[in-house]
Amino acid sequence: DAKTTQPTSMDCAEGRAANLPCNHSTISGNEYVYWYRQIHSQGPQYIIHGLKNNETNEMASLIITEDRKSSTLILPHATLRDTAVYYCIVRARGSQGNLIFGKGTKLSVKP
Amino acid sequence: NAGVTQTPKFRILKIGQSMTLQCTQDMNHNYMYWYRQDPGMGLKLIYYSVGAGITDKGEVPNGYNVSRSTTEDFPLRLELAAPSQTSVYFCASSRGPQGPNTEAFFGQGTRLTVV
Repeated sequence: DAKTTQPTSMDCAEGRAANLPCNHSTISGNEYVYWYRQIHSQGPQYIIHGLKNNETNEMASLIITEDRKSSTLILPHATLRDTAVYYCIVRARGSQGNLIFGKGTKLSVKP
Repeated sequence: NAGVTQTPKFRILKIGQSMTLQCTQDMNHNYMYWYRQDPGMGLKLIYYSVGAGITDKGEVPNGYNVSRSTTEDFPLRLELAAPSQTSVYFCASSRGPQGPNTEAFFGQGTRLTVV
């Protein structure tokens, strides 16, 4: 299974873009990159996922490098409600696609 | 559309007691999962199911059992509760393993304390 590496924590000013990096250097050609977040002790919330191309939805943008060894989640205008732990996950092969969670990045959005 | 519903939300068990955590989804998803999350840690997979009648172990299955008799329901059974099972339990479901429209939806969790 491809593993991911994320910074333990990051700060962002309210209203500014939050750029959360993730390394997944052992990713295989047909594995997707998924991003989830967990606000306080709630259930994780899906944000976005992608394979090769950059993706955008109403919540965020996902930028995947051409070699697919890293990606960046972008929250374009962070708000205080975006304070959460953000998980970058490569969907596992051979395990029926289970989501394997690491420790994620604790994003703190400050006024 | 309720999504993934877990019951109960909170429970206190005594050591050696048994209980079943309920999980139901109304999205007709084939894949369902049970995770546990200890304080300050990420989620660990306990069991998963790829369809009715099919279940398999995840990372931390010891002390738990599951069944999947219907598409909608995926209950998690604790037979002999131990303090090490004090955790928050999350159930999730998804349409498939990966690809378009395969995001997982999570319930709001069951907070279990074993004393």
